[in-house]
Amino acid sequence: AQSVTQLDSHVSVSEGTPVLLRCNYSSSYSPSLFWYVQHPNKGLQLLLKYTSAATLVKGINGFEAEFKKSETSFHLTKPSAHMSDAAEYFCVVILGGFQKLVFGTGTRLLVSP
Amino acid sequence: DAEITQSPRHKITETGRQVTLACHQTWNHNNMFWYRQDLGHGLRLIHYSYGVHDTNKGEVSDGYSVSRSNTEDLPLTLESAASSQTSVYFCASSEATGSPEQYFGPGTRLTVT
Repeated sequence: AQSVTQLDSHVSVSEGTPVLLRCNYSSSYSPSLFWYVQHPNKGLQLLLKYTSAATLVKGINGFEAEFKKSETSFHLTKPSAHMSDAAEYFCVVILGGFQKLVFGTGTRLLVSP
Repeated sequence: DAEITQSPRHKITETGRQVTLACHQTWNHNNMFWYRQDLGHGLRLIHYSYGVHDTNKGEVSDGYSVSRSNTEDLPLTLESAASSQTSVYFCASSEATGSPEQYFGPGTRLTVT
């Protein structure tokens, strides 16, 4: 079965320092992977997606993620955190042709001044 | 601009009552989905639809039903509300083919007392 594991429930960084949110996936074939962001009391917004094209994917707000098949990972990074990045981030895998999303349990990013 | 809306945004109801949550999208997407979000579980799929008159059960469908009479709407009904159904509910939609990402509504916070 396809699934994703977000390795950290909370990540704390200082403003201006790099961000790393970790995600490992399990899939019997090459998956489609996404990162979504949810700000407090808001819906989910797509940050970026991987659909078997370039392994380094750039998203909105300076975020990017690299698909590494050998490590079954899809970690989300940003060179310099901003206060507005404080939110919950979800790593998501799609169940192939059924287009159903399977969500990780989320990582809450805290950004301090 | 195309969008996906949910109503009501907040609802308090009593155990045993029937409740219907509305979801309306103007993307003209064939696929629509309902999720619930609970602490420690991420988002879990309740029901989904791939088109008019098509409905399917997700991983947590017990106690919920949906119907799809047109492309734009997928109402979610709780037949007899239970306290375990207190949650935040999100509706989403996606294209039938092409890019698989889902677009989410703002959510409905439901409290069952």
